[in-house]
Amino acid sequence: QKEVEQDPGPLSVPEGAIVSLNCTYSNSAFQYFMWYRQYSRKGPELLMYTYSSGNKEDGRFTAQVDKSSKYISLFIRDSQPSDSATYLCAMGVTGGGNKLTFGTGTQLKVEL
Amino acid sequence: SQTIHQWPATLVQPVGSPLSLECTVEGTSNPNLYWYRQAAGRGLQLLFYSVGIGQISSEVPQNLSASRPQDRQFILSSKKLLLSDSGFYLCAWSRGTGANEKLFFGSGTQLSVL
Repeated sequence: QKEVEQDPGPLSVPEGAIVSLNCTYSNSAFQYFMWYRQYSRKGPELLMYTYSSGNKEDGRFTAQVDKSSKYISLFIRDSQPSDSATYLCAMGVTGGGNKLTFGTGTQLKVEL
Repeated sequence: SQTIHQWPATLVQPVGSPLSLECTVEGTSNPNLYWYRQAAGRGLQLLFYSVGIGQISSEVPQNLSASRPQDRQFILSSKKLLLSDSGFYLCAWSRGTGANEKLFFGSGTQLSVL
């Protein structure tokens, strides 16, 4: 079993839809969580960073962490074609030297 | 602001040839530096990380090596490339400790070994 599981997609939605991207993990030692957006042939870009359970909002993006269920989500409201990318979840352990564990990524396509 | 430069963007090399990928960070001092490899469907694999000049930790045994000759310079090398070395290589940097440490990536190098 992988430490972090992420549905690879592809996920195709119409413009304006609410998108839900998810990751589950098995290591209860993970304490902080990130979401990265990666366009084709580019480096991942940090989107959201959360440390505690609950929701964190930034513009159209909301990151949700449920440590009791070992489940994290990224919600995108009013999705745009420019949101089409691969979304990677990542998580780490305090004192772990920033050796993040990444999901394999979910490919999202937002269609006009 | 901090920026990370990684080059080249694309590289095609024959099997058995040497490799040198370079990464530099601007706008910060004493960053932690990382090399990752990304293979399709397999996520990001940490290859090397460095907390200072000359300090390199290897995460997986492989045909590659890394060096940090200067504070903000990180180099990934190989003496003889294998077909299995093909992939998308990413350099990254971070500052801070523990939960405050956030990872920022370069633009990546697509390496094809033929």
